[in-house]
Amino acid sequence: SSELTQDPAVSVALGQTVTITCQGDSLGMFYASWYQQKPGQAPILVIFGEDNRPSGIPDRFSGSSSGNTASLTITGAQADDEADYFCNSRDSSINRAVFGPGTKVTVL
Amino acid sequence: QVQLQESGPGLVKPSGTLSLTCTVSGGSIINWWSWVRQPPGKGLEWIAEIHHSGRSNYSPSFKSRATILVDKSKEQFSLRLNSVTAADTAVYYCARDNGSGKSLFVFDIWGHGRMVTVSS
Repeated sequence: SSELTQDPAVSVALGQTVTITCQGDSLGMFYASWYQQKPGQAPILVIFGEDNRPSGIPDRFSGSSSGNTASLTITGAQADDEADYFCNSRDSSINRAVFGPGTKVTVL
Repeated sequence: QVQLQESGPGLVKPSGTLSLTCTVSGGSIINWWSWVRQPPGKGLEWIAEIHHSGRSNYSPSFKSRATILVDKSKEQFSLRLNSVTAADTAVYYCARDNGSGKSLFVFDIWGHGRMVTVSS
């Protein structure tokens, strides 16, 4: 079994860069995916794989990984980026999805 | 563009069975499909997945209570969760899993979600 951990909250000034992280044993074997969720809405996939963006996701979103840590970077944060961000991956031991608890990003 | 729509009762009595259906439109049901839930004010929790062939996987947390099925002819998949309690109150999402290789459980398309309340 494995869990993913994330910082509960982070803030960033408008136009600045913010990086949020996700840690867990499974990330040494599997890539994380990242989801943006705004209040009352379904999650949206923003990053998957090594550093891939689905169609329609702005290129200010990027991903990286090192060891057991995955990171999501927003370069030039916009007011519209204010949301909760969840990471997920496969469990390190069994075939199930695991999610991090989420990071609330506030754009000041 | 593939779209997903959840349907089912929004209110279930304690000890009863939660039943939800996800309809796939605008594309093929040939893929892996999952159910994910989110209790009010909390994070996301994966419940189970099913392949269009009928193969399925369950989270150990739900394996004893959940059943996931697929109906290719209707392009739908469904979730049944037995013996529900107030702790099962949540928004239930269906999602497409488009993962592969080292990038698994990549949920690239989500339904809008169905709020289910467990209450008498």
